[in-house]
Amino acid sequence: QKEVEQNSGPLSVPEGAIASLNCTYSDRGSQSFFWYRQYSGKSPELIMSIYSNGDKEDGRFTAQLNKASQYVSLLIRDSQPSDSATYLCAVNGGGSYIPTFGRGTSLIVHP
Amino acid sequence: DTEVTQTPKHLVMGMTNKKSLKCEQHMGHRAMYWYKQKAKKPPELMFVYSYEKLSINESVPSRFSPECPNSSLLNLHLHALQPEDSALYLCASSQKLAGEGDTQYFGPGTRLTVL
Repeated sequence: QKEVEQNSGPLSVPEGAIASLNCTYSDRGSQSFFWYRQYSGKSPELIMSIYSNGDKEDGRFTAQLNKASQYVSLLIRDSQPSDSATYLCAVNGGGSYIPTFGRGTSLIVHP
Repeated sequence: DTEVTQTPKHLVMGMTNKKSLKCEQHMGHRAMYWYKQKAKKPPELMFVYSYEKLSINESVPSRFSPECPNSSLLNLHLHALQPEDSALYLCASSQKLAGEGDTQYFGPGTRLTVL
């Protein structure tokens, strides 16, 4: 059974700081990795997908994938109060195409 | 355009009612998904359709019946639901099931309340 682990938080950071969210996964054959942002009562919104080792940047967001260590992280630079949400890590592949979600990390950015 | 639409936004139904949830995408995606999400929990996969055929049924009770009439539409028919089925029902789509192109895009969800 694939497992995806995230610290549930809450992670609290001041406005303007870098928020670092981490995710580990159990299936070494996993190939696809995703970060979603979910506001309370809303649906998940894709922030980034990453498939290769290394960093991928999109605006204030950077995803980092290390398949050898089986972790994927999301950095949010210049955090804003509007970034306050739950961040879901999802993993796919590895012999199964049933995506597995972590439980999510709650991020609070305080002014 | 990465839009998945869902109707209705909210639904209240009694345990003896029959209702349907509808999902639509026009991105040419060939995989479509139904998820159920309870408060403060991650989305829980219910069904996966690939090329309009049911690929995965995650042991969902028969009171939930999915249907994929064509490549753009996905329905979820509801009958004799229980109060514990109250949740946010999410539809998602992706170009394909695995490998690059398996990024899922979610619709806004239907908030279902069963009385």
